[in-house]
Amino acid sequence: AQSVTQLDSQVPVFEEAPVELRCNYSSSVSVYLFWYVQYPNQGLQLLLKYLSGSTLVKGINGFEAEFNKSQTSFHLRKPSVHISDTAEYFCAVIRSGNTPLVFGKGTRLSVIA
Amino acid sequence: KAGVTQTPRYLIKTRGQQVTLSCSPISGHRSVSWYQQTPGQGLQFLFEYFSETQRNKGNFPGRFSGRQFSNSRSEMNVSTLELGDSALYLCASSQIGQGAYEQYFGPGTRLTVT
Repeated sequence: AQSVTQLDSQVPVFEEAPVELRCNYSSSVSVYLFWYVQYPNQGLQLLLKYLSGSTLVKGINGFEAEFNKSQTSFHLRKPSVHISDTAEYFCAVIRSGNTPLVFGKGTRLSVIA
Repeated sequence: KAGVTQTPRYLIKTRGQQVTLSCSPISGHRSVSWYQQTPGQGLQFLFEYFSETQRNKGNFPGRFSGRQFSNSRSEMNVSTLELGDSALYLCASSQIGQGAYEQYFGPGTRLTVT
């Protein structure tokens, strides 16, 4: 069974500073990887996804993530955060085929003015 | 294009009662998945429906059930509610199914069981 580990439950960061949210997954087969963001009292919104090809994936709102197969990681980065980036971020993995998304526990990003 | 809608947005029920939640997917999407989100367990997959058939099921007791109608709208039902069923229930739709296809999430229904 696959699993997703988000190494930090909370990440405080000052506005305009860079941030990295870490995600590791375990799977012995090919996977697709996703990052979702959840703002308070809202559903999840897709930030970016890795299906194949270039290991550096760019998403919305200036976020990017790098797929590292040897380290089974898919860390999310942003070079300069804004107050509006304060939210919960979820890493998710899915095996190819019709299998369900498996989510990590989430990382709460708090951007401090 | 309208997004995924879920009704009701908030619900308060008493232990032992049953509840039905509704999800309307994005027009043209045939797959609907349901997730339970709690502070302790995080996001957990409940089930997926495609063309009115349950295609995948998570590890939840039989009190949790669902169905999908011919217009792709879906409902989930929880019978004999327990306090631990208090959660945010999220519905997601996608064009064909899971895998590489992006899932679009609704705002959720927050269920409180007292």
